[in-house]
Amino acid sequence: AQSVAQPEDQVNVAEGNPLTVKCTYSVSGNPYLFWYVQYPNRGLQFLLKYITGDNLVKGSYGFEAEFNKSQTSFHLKKPSALVSDSALYFCAVRDSKAGNNRKLIWGLGTSLAVNP
Amino acid sequence: NAGVTQTPKFRILKIGQSMTLQCTQDMNHNYMYWYRQDPGMGLKLIYYSVGAGITDKGEVPNGYNVSRSTTEDFPLRLELAAPSQTSVYFCASGGQGPIPDTQYFGPGTRLTVL
Repeated sequence: AQSVAQPEDQVNVAEGNPLTVKCTYSVSGNPYLFWYVQYPNRGLQFLLKYITGDNLVKGSYGFEAEFNKSQTSFHLKKPSALVSDSALYFCAVRDSKAGNNRKLIWGLGTSLAVNP
Repeated sequence: NAGVTQTPKFRILKIGQSMTLQCTQDMNHNYMYWYRQDPGMGLKLIYYSVGAGITDKGEVPNGYNVSRSTTEDFPLRLELAAPSQTSVYFCASGGQGPIPDTQYFGPGTRLTVL
């Protein structure tokens, strides 16, 4: 069965330090992987996606994510955190074998707090 | 481009009342989705549509109905509101192509059922 796990409910990091938000997945075919961010009282915004090709994907606001097939992971990273990065981060996956409905399987979200 | 718009932003309903949450997108996307978001529970798919006239159930469709008469609009109907439907509702849309496209989200509707 398809699934996504975000093992940390909350991540705390000091401003200027590197940050990592973890995501692991389980699909039967090739994964299509996404990261979204949600600021308070707002809708979700797309950050980046991995479909194929280079394992390191660069996205909006200086974020990047690394696809690791052997570890079935797609961790979100940023070299230097900003207080304004504080938000809720969602990982999502779609199985390439799941048909044409385009449905995504969502993680439960990780709350990132960047402390000044 | 307004993207995905949702109305209303907030609503309080009494148990048993009905309402329609509106969703409109101006990106000519075929795929549209309704999600609900409860604290600590992530996003749950209620209904989705792969094009005008075609809808299907998601994970949590009970108590809801949808229609898709045009590409742009995808309203969500609550017929008999229950306290369990208190949630934040998000509409999203996505484009075409041989691989899944990014889903674009509206700002959400915060619904309280008392």
